[in-house]
Amino acid sequence: GAVVSQHPSWVICKSGTSVKIECRSLDFQATTMFWYRQFPKQSLMLMATSNEGSKATYEQGVEKDKFLINHASLTLSTLTVTSAHPEDSSFYICSARKMENYNSPLHFGNGTRLTVT
Amino acid sequence: AQSVTQPDIHITVSEGASLELRCNYSYGATPYLFWYVQSPGQGLQLLLKYFSGDTLVQGIKGFEAEFKRSQSSFNLRKPSVHWSDAAEYFCAVGADKLIFGTGTRLQVFP
Repeated sequence: GAVVSQHPSWVICKSGTSVKIECRSLDFQATTMFWYRQFPKQSLMLMATSNEGSKATYEQGVEKDKFLINHASLTLSTLTVTSAHPEDSSFYICSARKMENYNSPLHFGNGTRLTVT
Repeated sequence: AQSVTQPDIHITVSEGASLELRCNYSYGATPYLFWYVQSPGQGLQLLLKYFSGDTLVQGIKGFEAEFKRSQSSFNLRKPSVHWSDAAEYFCAVGADKLIFGTGTRLQVFP
């Protein structure tokens, strides 16, 4: 089945530093990937839509200068949390769709737990 | 506005008992509906999906869900729960972007 890999699975960083999270579609091409954020015991909130070869589309309230998204190839999207602060600590999950087809479901990575100290 | 409501935050059942997790949605068009399961610290695994056709959908791990347009519901069911089913369950609606419910945490007692 379709596999989406996220790396790292967890990261601890100091306040003020930047952290990059990778999302790869291992056995399919994805022109669109999605980045979600999940706070403890809460649901997933869509942060942005990552489009290969173009700028990401951010949801309302998400700072695009803080959460930099790059979708440089059909199998890789990266999320960089810049100048991280403790309130950025969260579980970040990416997802990808096999084709530009609504009948193809989203496949999710295993998430990245970010802790900012 | 588009939204998903999962009324039950936490459900506890005994192993072998039947299970029904509720999901209600609000969506402007014909909805695409999904159920995902999440184990602690893990990503989401798709259990089943509804796009069109038969309103009773079969999924993995013995789960099924029924789409009821008149009730705007898409409840998840399983006739006999196993201890390994303990997890967080999310209902979602949408086409390209998914809107998730707040989740239902399932505990299973032996």
